Amino acid sequence: AQSVAQPEDQVNVAEGNPLTVKCTYSVSGNPYLFWYVQYPNRGLQFLLKYITGDNLVKGSYGFEAEFNKSQTSFHLKKPSALVSDSALYFCAVRASRKLTFGTGTQLKVEL
Amino acid sequence: GAVVSQHPSRVICKSGTSVKIECRSLDFQATTMFWYRQFPKQSLMLMATSNEGSKATYEQGVEKDKFLINHASLTLSTLTVTSAHPEDSSFYICSASGGRGYEQYFGPGTRLTVT
Repeated sequence: AQSVAQPEDQVNVAEGNPLTVKCTYSVSGNPYLFWYVQYPNRGLQFLLKYITGDNLVKGSYGFEAEFNKSQTSFHLKKPSALVSDSALYFCAVRASRKLTFGTGTQLKVEL
Repeated sequence: GAVVSQHPSRVICKSGTSVKIECRSLDFQATTMFWYRQFPKQSLMLMATSNEGSKATYEQGVEKDKFLINHASLTLSTLTVTSAHPEDSSFYICSASGGRGYEQYFGPGTRLTVT
């Protein structure tokens, strides 16, 4: 069965600094990987996905993620964080048309 | 494009009553819709997968007689929580997938409170 691990419950970063939100996965076959963001009392918004191709995937709002097959990781990154990026971030892996989510990482960007 | 709506956004009901939540894909045809449940500060747990015109497939541990899912058209799926109890209080989120379906597009969620 597929699984996703987000080892950090919370990440704090100062505005303007780079941010990384970690994700590792386990799946049989080729991984289809996703990042979503959730604001309080809202549904999930799609940020980016990796299906195939370049290991560095660029997504919405300046976010990018790097797929590393040998480390089975798909870390989310942004070069310069904004206070408005503060939200809950979920990594997910798709298998058999189902998404399995990690436990989420709360990102807090402070001035 | 790819907008999914849910109605209502928030509902309070009394214990023992039933409540229906609608999920609509507004600008695409959703061959598959998914229903998730999210507890506070926790991840999304898939409850069931529904394909238009066929019975929903429920995840292990989800009571199909309690959580009735109907996917009668390519743009509408409904989740009915029957004989609701306080422990059913949660945030319910639907998503929809169409075509090749790599992506799921999520609705804004419905906050259910059972008193």
